[in-house]
Amino acid sequence: GAVVSQHPSRVICKSGTSVKIECRSLDFQATTMFWYRQFPKQSLMLMATSNEGSKATYEQGVEKDKFLINHASLTLSTLTVTSAHPEDSSFYICSVPTAGGLSYEQYFGPGTRLTVT
Amino acid sequence: AQKITQTQPGMFVQEKEAVTLDCTYDTSDQSYGLFWYKQPSSGEMIFLIYQGSYDEQNATEGRYSLNFQKARKSANLVISASQLGDSAMYFCAMREAGGTSYGKLTFGQGTILTVHP
Repeated sequence: GAVVSQHPSRVICKSGTSVKIECRSLDFQATTMFWYRQFPKQSLMLMATSNEGSKATYEQGVEKDKFLINHASLTLSTLTVTSAHPEDSSFYICSVPTAGGLSYEQYFGPGTRLTVT
Repeated sequence: AQKITQTQPGMFVQEKEAVTLDCTYDTSDQSYGLFWYKQPSSGEMIFLIYQGSYDEQNATEGRYSLNFQKARKSANLVISASQLGDSAMYFCAMREAGGTSYGKLTFGQGTILTVHP
């Protein structure tokens, strides 16, 4: 069964509105979660690292006021796209790494496809 | 800084034949992990295989094997006996060992594999 869930799987919103995407770790506690963005036929680009109990760490070039991240609990991180515009239309994927060393276990959510009209 | 390079935007292979997807990386870290993921059109990220930088033997997982050449900084994926269901986008990724970047994956550009019947 799924280890990481995302909700919604697809969302269409109007330009100027805000959209919240949830990422849930179903089987274990996650102090860290990652948010990636992927444009069609392109690579996954890390947007930010979500840290439970503290502020998110954003990658260079990612507007923290536009992409609000809240890691409210050890199983839930949310990404809110504020004042969305058509150029924000993309596939957003979260992932949860396991703790300790270089274990290969990193679990991805199924992704959320955002379309801004 | 890390960098992952996949130089093949698209690859074609005949069903039942083997195919090699190229990946080179650049890092100053001694300890790192290399991953291959498959992304079908649904968007989910499917973990295929992992190679640690200190692993002396090439990783294998069923029809997948990783040709790890550390001195050349390459980690090519070999898929044997290709199946139609192997048609997807394939990503090579690297994971840092620790520190503030713990768990973060850096992805290559991806290779779209098409398997012909």
